[in-house]
Amino acid sequence: GESVGLHLPTLSVQEGDNSIINCAYSNSASDYFIWYKQESGKGPQFIIDIRSNMDKRQGQRVTVLLNKTVKHLSLQIAATQPGDSAVYFCAEIIEAAGNKLTFGGGTRVLVKP
Amino acid sequence: EPEVTQTPSHQVTQMGQEVILRCVPISNHLYFYWYRQILGQKVEFLVSFYNNEISEKSEIFDDQFSVERPDGSNFTLKIRSTKLEDSAMYFCASSSPTSGRSFIDNEQFFGPGTRLTVL
Repeated sequence: GESVGLHLPTLSVQEGDNSIINCAYSNSASDYFIWYKQESGKGPQFIIDIRSNMDKRQGQRVTVLLNKTVKHLSLQIAATQPGDSAVYFCAEIIEAAGNKLTFGGGTRVLVKP
Repeated sequence: EPEVTQTPSHQVTQMGQEVILRCVPISNHLYFYWYRQILGQKVEFLVSFYNNEISEKSEIFDDQFSVERPDGSNFTLKIRSTKLEDSAMYFCASSSPTSGRSFIDNEQFFGPGTRLTVL
């Protein structure tokens, strides 16, 4: 999801349910994709990454899916907890362009108890 | 767990004034970065720094901006003459090619940010 000004897309999810956050990208030259979590008043925190030659990668309670055909990336959070409430950003790295992170728009996740 | 720290947490300045934002990266890291985030918008890359020189910079990082590693621990971002549009959160990050959590050779760890308000 792309953000426009102050209007971040928001996903409200019941505690214990699964969350799916989506991200579209445009540059097919990207080598890595990364998901970051940003809690209020804090900097972005690394969650999980995936190489461009992969389709899926799993971590602890999180799964990232990459669909290169439609240039789509998703983050699935299993059994969402109140501590998962944050803004989630996808980012990409193009190795030929150095190690800089290019962030996409964010999605706000609100976990309802 | 080691972390990146930034000071101050909030800086208020008048337009045209110089500001210096300070960062202490993780001690054994070799690569340093500044990013900014205007309120409600995406995080944007400003500059990366390695081996005491700028390795890459974005279009945002014009002549008003400079970075320095004055000693073995601090990494600073200076804005020479602030403009209203410089108001944003500024994040410092550092990385090292030894992180084992990700595929990326240089996973970046972010500080908590400095909120800069230009009046």
